[in-house]
Amino acid sequence: EAGVAQSPRYKIIEKRQSVAFWCNPISGHATLYWYQQILGQGPKLLIQFQNNGVVDDSQLPKDRFSAERLKGVDSTLKIQPAKLEDSAVYLCASSLITGTQYFGPGTRLLVL
Amino acid sequence: TQLLEQSPQFLSIQEGENLTVYCNSSSVFSSLQWYRQEPGEGPVLLVTVVTGGEVKKLKRLTFQFGDARKDSSLHITAAQPGDTGLYLCAGSNSGYALNFGKGTSLLVTP
Repeated sequence: EAGVAQSPRYKIIEKRQSVAFWCNPISGHATLYWYQQILGQGPKLLIQFQNNGVVDDSQLPKDRFSAERLKGVDSTLKIQPAKLEDSAVYLCASSLITGTQYFGPGTRLLVL
Repeated sequence: TQLLEQSPQFLSIQEGENLTVYCNSSSVFSSLQWYRQEPGEGPVLLVTVVTGGEVKKLKRLTFQFGDARKDSSLHITAAQPGDTGLYLCAGSNSGYALNFGKGTSLLVTP
């Protein structure tokens, strides 16, 4: 069974530029999560989707971050404009409606 | 956000030693998970504990959930270099996303 796929794996941009990350969850998984993991810290939830609806986006900085899951399958996370403090690993995870979350390898973002 | 405190933050030991990692919270969780994360990869689930006082074993790893479901520990017996990684505990309450601790970075040298 294929795992959670993410791309790109690495991205370097300058501050004030925009960037987008893509996630394809495990087939059949209704729930998709985006986490931000800053160096030295545990992952922090940014947004949780169930199918194509948002369950929780309370910690998403909505002035610069946006995410969508239009067809209830894959998802994109966008940052516009990026700040230095956005440098982090962005992890996507998926699960059945509830239950075990399976994580992708992450996208490492460096903002210069 | 319910906070999870992990200790120690860093641990460097030699192969064959035993170690214990702690995860504490002031909040009750319906379940608690332990993950291991290797450099360049996402976290991988090791175990889920749901019942207060529950003990689970995974080869040389022993996980315990506190009676009040606020804390947990991970004990590794006879650590091996392959155990090196970042150990994360995460609590959740039915259907909601995980609240992670900051993790314990473990280095096991031969």
